[in-house]
Amino acid sequence: SQQGEEDPQALSIQEGENATMNCSYKTSINNLQWYRQNSGRGLVHLILIRSNEREKHSGRLRVTLDTSKKSSSLLITASRAADTASYFCATSLPNTPLVFGKGTRLSVIA
Amino acid sequence: NAGVTQTPKFRVLKTGQSMTLLCAQDMNHEYMYWYRQDPGMGLRLIHYSVGEGTTAKGEVPDGYNVSRLKKQNFLLGLESAAPSQTSVYFCASSSQFFPAQGARVLRGYTFGSGTRLTVV
Repeated sequence: SQQGEEDPQALSIQEGENATMNCSYKTSINNLQWYRQNSGRGLVHLILIRSNEREKHSGRLRVTLDTSKKSSSLLITASRAADTASYFCATSLPNTPLVFGKGTRLSVIA
Repeated sequence: NAGVTQTPKFRVLKTGQSMTLLCAQDMNHEYMYWYRQDPGMGLRLIHYSVGEGTTAKGEVPDGYNVSRLKKQNFLLGLESAAPSQTSVYFCASSSQFFPAQGARVLRGYTFGSGTRLTVV
């Protein structure tokens, strides 16, 4: 299965700290995406990184991709209480829909 | 711009009843998807569509049918609901782009706010 697997399953940090979540997958991919889901809401797309890219930034988000290790990380810097949510990685092969991992639950304590 | 709209937001069904979940998008996206989300299971793909008039099976299609008669709408049907279909259902849509090099890349998905279905 190409399904991504996030690690850790849950993470609790203090406001202002950095949060790092990891995603590992099993097969070669076309691109990898990260999504956020607030409780009771739909998923929101955060960032997409293609298989030939190694790092992307978007505001306080930094995503890395290591295709040799089949892994990706999402770093949220200077976290805020509003960052409390579940974060999912999703992978796709060419011409196939995204396959989502089970997510990391992030709690940012004020 | 409403994005992706799902109706209804909540529904309780009795075992054996049927219902249709409606997904509508106003972004002219080619691709549409139905996922279900269960505790501890992440999102699992039920069916998807790569364009008007097309549908394809995902990871967990049994017990569901879909139709994409219009580009902006993607319907998910449960013919005979079962308690195992109790879940939160999410619809999503996406477009694509063709980079100068490499394979076609699908853009990030836009999700609806979900339908919480309980089958008793």
